[in-house]
Amino acid sequence: ELKVEQNPLFLSMQEGKNYTIYCNYSTTSDRLYWYRQDPGKSLESLFVLLSNGAVKQEGRLMASLDTKARLSTLHITAAVHDLSATYFCAVDATQGAQKLVFGQGTRLTINP
Amino acid sequence: EADIYQTPRYLVIGTGKKITLECSQTMGHDKMYWYQQDPGMELHLIHYSYGVNSTEKGDLSSESTVSRIRTEHFPLTLESARPSHTSQYLCASSPPGGFNEKLFFGSGTQLSVL
Repeated sequence: ELKVEQNPLFLSMQEGKNYTIYCNYSTTSDRLYWYRQDPGKSLESLFVLLSNGAVKQEGRLMASLDTKARLSTLHITAAVHDLSATYFCAVDATQGAQKLVFGQGTRLTINP
Repeated sequence: EADIYQTPRYLVIGTGKKITLECSQTMGHDKMYWYQQDPGMELHLIHYSYGVNSTEKGDLSSESTVSRIRTEHFPLTLESARPSHTSQYLCASSPPGGFNEKLFFGSGTQLSVL
């Protein structure tokens, strides 16, 4: 059974700082997704990572995938308050059938 | 961006009632999904469909049922609602042509069963 674990689950940081969210998963997969969710809202797609070594960047967020280590990271550079949200990683380990298994989410709070 | 709509946005209902949560998308996506999310928790897949007349149960056992009679419409039905069904239900879809696309999510239905 595929398990997806995020670390940390809660993160409070100051504006301007850098930090990394980790996503570990238990079975082989080369499809990993990152989503953002604001309180009471739906999920917004951030990144789709489809191969070992994939790296994608959008603004202050950068995601990477290491399929051999079964690890993805979401790096935040010079955080700003607008990035406060819950971030989920999700893994598709069904040979591309796109039945995603989600991590528990990382609740990120960025303080001025 | 895909347009995917869920109604109602909020629903408070008594135990034993039959309810249908609506989900529609206007982008011609063939794949559609229902996820259940408790507050502050991860999402769990409860149903999915790869096209018309195709429906499958997800990894989380659910007493709900779904149908896919039209490409754009993927309703979820609870025959007899119970307090344990209280949760947020999120509908999602993804485009045809492969399984490497991101999922687009609707705004969700927050269901409360009293």
